Amino acid sequence: DIQMTQSPSTLSASVGDRVTITCRASQTIGNWLAWYQQKPGKAPNLLIYKASYLETGVPSRFSGRGSGTEFTLTISSLQPDDFATYFCQQYNTTYSFGQGTKLEIK
Amino acid sequence: QVQLVQSGAEVKKPGASVKVSCRTSGYTFTDFYIHWVRQAPGQGLVWLGWIDPKTGHTDYALQFQGWVTLTSDTSINTAYIDLNRLRSDDTAVYYCAREYCSGGNCYYFFDYWGQGTPVIVSS
Repeated sequence: DIQMTQSPSTLSASVGDRVTITCRASQTIGNWLAWYQQKPGKAPNLLIYKASYLETGVPSRFSGRGSGTEFTLTISSLQPDDFATYFCQQYNTTYSFGQGTKLEIK
Repeated sequence: QVQLVQSGAEVKKPGASVKVSCRTSGYTFTDFYIHWVRQAPGQGLVWLGWIDPKTGHTDYALQFQGWVTLTSDTSINTAYIDLNRLRSDDTAVYYCAREYCSGGNCYYFFDYWGQGTPVIVSS
C-alpha cells in the first residue's frame, strides 16, 4: 500500500499569510494526487486534482505543485474561511489519504 | 444540482450489522462509480471500496474485504454499504462519494460527497 505523509500536522498562521502544506508518497504516484479541505462536521471538499489542477469554483489563492513523491498545497493569502483541515489523496494505486493538516488561527 | 444524501446516524452494539444508504440525484446514477470512505473520530480518511451502479461490480480495500458489502438500486438511484460484525473501533463517520469524471475519463478522487453518517458502536 502507498502511504501518504503530510507535514506539518498542525499549522498556525494569520489572515494574509502564505502557507504551504507538504504531502509525501511512499512510492511514486506520478501526478495522481488530490487535495481536499474539510471543516468540522462537514464532508471534505475537493480543491485540487492531478496535483495542480484547480477544481471549478475554488479560489485562485489555492495552488498545488509536485510530481512523483513530493507535493505541496499553497494558500497565497489566508482568508478567515481557509482555517480548516487539509488532506491529500493519491489515486495512482488503490486510494489512500494523508493524515491531515489542521490549519489554525495564530 | 448533484446531491448525495445519506441516511441518519446509527447506534449499534458490538457484533451487530448496519446498512447505510446514499441517495443520489442531479445526475445519471449509472454513469459514475460510488465510493465509500470512513473517518474515525479525530482521525484521517480511509477508503473502503467502490461500486459501479451500472454493472454492480465492486472493489474493496484489502483490509475490509469480507466485512463490507456494497450494493446499489438503480430504480431509486441509491447506493448502500453493509457493515457486519461491528466492533467499537468501527465507530466512525461513513461517507459516500462520487468519482470525478471529465471528458469521458473517470478518476478515483471525489467531487461530490454525502453529508456523512455517524455509526457508533457501543455496548
